[in-house]
Amino acid sequence: GDSVTQMEGPVTLSEEAFLTINCTYTATGYPSLFWYVQYPGEGLQLLLKATKADDKGSNKGFEATYRKETTSFHLEKGSVQVSDSAVYFCALLLPPGSSYKLIFGSGTRLLVRP
Amino acid sequence: DSGVTQTPKHLITATGQRVTLRCSPRSGDLSVYWYQQSLDQGLQFLIQYYNGEERAKGNILERFSAQQFPDLHSELNLSSLELGDSALYFCASSDGTMNTEAFFGQGTRLTVV
Repeated sequence: GDSVTQMEGPVTLSEEAFLTINCTYTATGYPSLFWYVQYPGEGLQLLLKATKADDKGSNKGFEATYRKETTSFHLEKGSVQVSDSAVYFCALLLPPGSSYKLIFGSGTRLLVRP
Repeated sequence: DSGVTQTPKHLITATGQRVTLRCSPRSGDLSVYWYQQSLDQGLQFLIQYYNGEERAKGNILERFSAQQFPDLHSELNLSSLELGDSALYFCASSDGTMNTEAFFGQGTRLTVV
């Protein structure tokens, strides 16, 4: 069925390190793809999105490219900060023929050390 | 502030009881999603409504039900509560179209004792 798979965490990095969080998906049709971030004690916030193949979403130094051929949407950041410590969720929105479900991965916890 | 309001923020209740969680979507949004987030687990999709009608159903237990009212607010009803139902319950809203993101409320933390 339709699903999102994320790399397991926690991911622990030093400040200014390069970040990659892998996300792959299985879906019928052509979904829209999203990364959300959840800071401690808060709800989820949209980080970036891409709505069609080869689109690149970017925000706050984070980037992800919609790769249809590999069904992936990996999140990257060139230099992480302590304030980036949070849980990151990859998600897909299924197209109308598949009921518009918004499905999330299991989340990846990122811990950035000073 | 996402514009999505969930009440109450915290709820403590006993096993076997019934509770109602409430969600007010962002102004103009027609679609409401409900999710359950348990400890060490991701977001489990429960159910989605669009303009008062059920649009999609996920892993929602038969003891749980939801509805969306004409003013577009939504309620999630949880009955015959069990200890394992303790979790964060999130509501999200969107305009319901293909390329737009959902906006999340702060969640309701339910503790069943």
